[in-house]
Amino acid sequence: DAGITQSPRYKITETGRQVTLMCHQTWSHSYMFWYRQDLGHGLRLIYYSAAADITDKGEVPDGYVVSRSKTENFPLTLESATRSQTSVYFCASSQVGGKETQYFGPGTRLLVL
Amino acid sequence: SQQGEEDPQALSIQEGENATMNCSYKTSINNLQWYRQNSGRGLVHLILIRSNEREKHSGRLRVTLDTSKKSSSLLITASRAADTASYFCATDDTGTASKLTFGTGTRLQVTL
Repeated sequence: DAGITQSPRYKITETGRQVTLMCHQTWSHSYMFWYRQDLGHGLRLIYYSAAADITDKGEVPDGYVVSRSKTENFPLTLESATRSQTSVYFCASSQVGGKETQYFGPGTRLLVL
Repeated sequence: SQQGEEDPQALSIQEGENATMNCSYKTSINNLQWYRQNSGRGLVHLILIRSNEREKHSGRLRVTLDTSKKSSSLLITASRAADTASYFCATDDTGTASKLTFGTGTRLQVTL
């Protein structure tokens, strides 16, 4: 059982390029989340989704786009990457609701040059 | 904006000692959770305590919650080198949004 996986695990891109980070979970959890983790800021919520085709903005959504056409996938797209989006990105899922236990993926380290 | 703030930011102890870290938050909550993050890995859920609970145990972990002071503490007893990690508290709020807010974490180093 794979649980929750993220790809790629490491990504280097250039300013202005579009980048898509993938998240896949095998539990059929309703809720999925994208966070970024930066030194001094902890984890900050970018977007979350309560179900397929339902998404909501988190604390830092600017510059990011999400979609959720299938329950198991929740891709995060940086439409035009900026250096300030260099970070570690974590996807998470929750079975019961966003306020309950969340299960995290291994993270994607993104470097924007 | 951070809902939970952990204290201390970093803690270094020897194996066998107890480790205590604290979390303060700002608004009313339904529950508070603690997560662990090993270096380079994702977060792992440790324990959830609800607003009507004052204390909860799980193995070597003891969590307390004081809603009047808007604070929680995580105690790890008889620490092991494998407990070396960052620990985060996460809070919901009593509003309708289904999400958590994480603090900035406490880095725990357990030395042999």
